[in-house]
Amino acid sequence: SQTIHQWPATLVQPVGSPLSLECTVEGTSNPNLYWYRQAAGRGLQLLFYSVGIGQISSEVPQNLSASRPQDRQFILSSKKLLLSDSGFYLCAWSVRASGANVLTFGAGSRLTVL
Amino acid sequence: RKEVEQDPGPFNVPEGATVAFNCTYSNSASQSFFWYRQDCRKEPKLLMSVYSSGNEDGRFTAQLNRASQYISLLIRDSKLSDSATYLCVVNANTGGFKTIFGAGTRLFVKA
Repeated sequence: SQTIHQWPATLVQPVGSPLSLECTVEGTSNPNLYWYRQAAGRGLQLLFYSVGIGQISSEVPQNLSASRPQDRQFILSSKKLLLSDSGFYLCAWSVRASGANVLTFGAGSRLTVL
Repeated sequence: RKEVEQDPGPFNVPEGATVAFNCTYSNSASQSFFWYRQDCRKEPKLLMSVYSSGNEDGRFTAQLNRASQYISLLIRDSKLSDSATYLCVVNANTGGFKTIFGAGTRLFVKA
């Protein structure tokens, strides 16, 4: 069966520090991969999605970047965090060939920038 | 205009009540539609897909109106455990990969 792992689960970072969140999927090949952010009390904002290694689509201009160095690995990074980067970051995957594109989420990474 | 819009609620209903949530989407080329459920401080989980013909899963019924670009979710005989945020979800491009979530509708079911 397929599983998705996301880490770290919780982190507190100072403004201006770098960030790296990692997501890996097991039990499938060629998944679509996604990063979403959810600010406190708000909806999910699509940040990046990827349909293959090295293929990244960015939805919102910001100080974040994403990379997909391997088929089942998706990394979210920042060189310098802002206070507004605080939120709940969710990685998700879907089956590449599926027309319905049902997303399955990891447990999330809760980031607080101080 | 937001790509996917929902009434944020909250909806406060007693156990056993029937409650309906609505959602509209702006991209007429959208391919597929879903309802997800999100519990407090947890990840969203798929509740059900939404088909043009309408579909039912136990106490939950979903409807899609492509002409009006409107999606609905009906919950019958509400349970305390139905308390959560319900997210309307649309795949917004022809490749079906750009998946957009509405901001969610909060439901509180009271004893």
